[in-house]
Amino acid sequence: DVKVTQSSRYLVKRTGEKVFLECVQDMDHENMFWYRQDPGLGLRLIYFSYDVKMKEKGDIPEGYSVSREKKERFSLILESASTNQTSMYLCASSLKTPYGYTFGSGTRLTVV
Amino acid sequence: GQQLNQSPQSMFIQEGEDVSMNCTSSSIFNTWLWYKQDPGEGPVLLIALYKAGELTSNGRLTAQFGITRKDSFLNISASIPSDVGIYFCAGPPTGNQFYFGTGTSLTVIP
Repeated sequence: DVKVTQSSRYLVKRTGEKVFLECVQDMDHENMFWYRQDPGLGLRLIYFSYDVKMKEKGDIPEGYSVSREKKERFSLILESASTNQTSMYLCASSLKTPYGYTFGSGTRLTVV
Repeated sequence: GQQLNQSPQSMFIQEGEDVSMNCTSSSIFNTWLWYKQDPGEGPVLLIALYKAGELTSNGRLTAQFGITRKDSFLNISASIPSDVGIYFCAGPPTGNQFYFGTGTSLTVIP
């Protein structure tokens, strides 16, 4: 069964901390994405990557960075966590020409 | 970024009722996808549509790709409690990036 695995289901971090959210896929997908999900706002794209060491800004990249050193792994980094980054974070992957995304189970991050 | 208008925003229905929701875009899409997100989980693909006018079923779910290619519809027949969740439409106006609707939250009352 193909999978997108996010390393943590729940995280609580303090304001100002550097936070790493990890995502690994086992489907040999070229494309990987990070979204955040907030009530009433749907899924908003933070960053995406079409290849190793490649990254593109999505709609809301401010306060975030990403790293893709290996094809199967895409990391989201909150350089200095703030309370307005409390959210559900979803990682997804797809083939180069996508027929759809496969999502991970999500990481619910709370910044206090 | 691209916005998909999804309606209704939320629905509260009795078990056994049918459900209809829709999604519209300002851009022409070549693909429409419908996802369901169970509480506390990531979205899971329900139905994919690749051709204008296409009607596709998955069990009690039926989705249609609008003829104008700017809209899509999802129907759920004879709802059951496990249908509870958030339903998202998605599509790629250009390239390889999919955009998502704001979701329809469905509550089924036993």
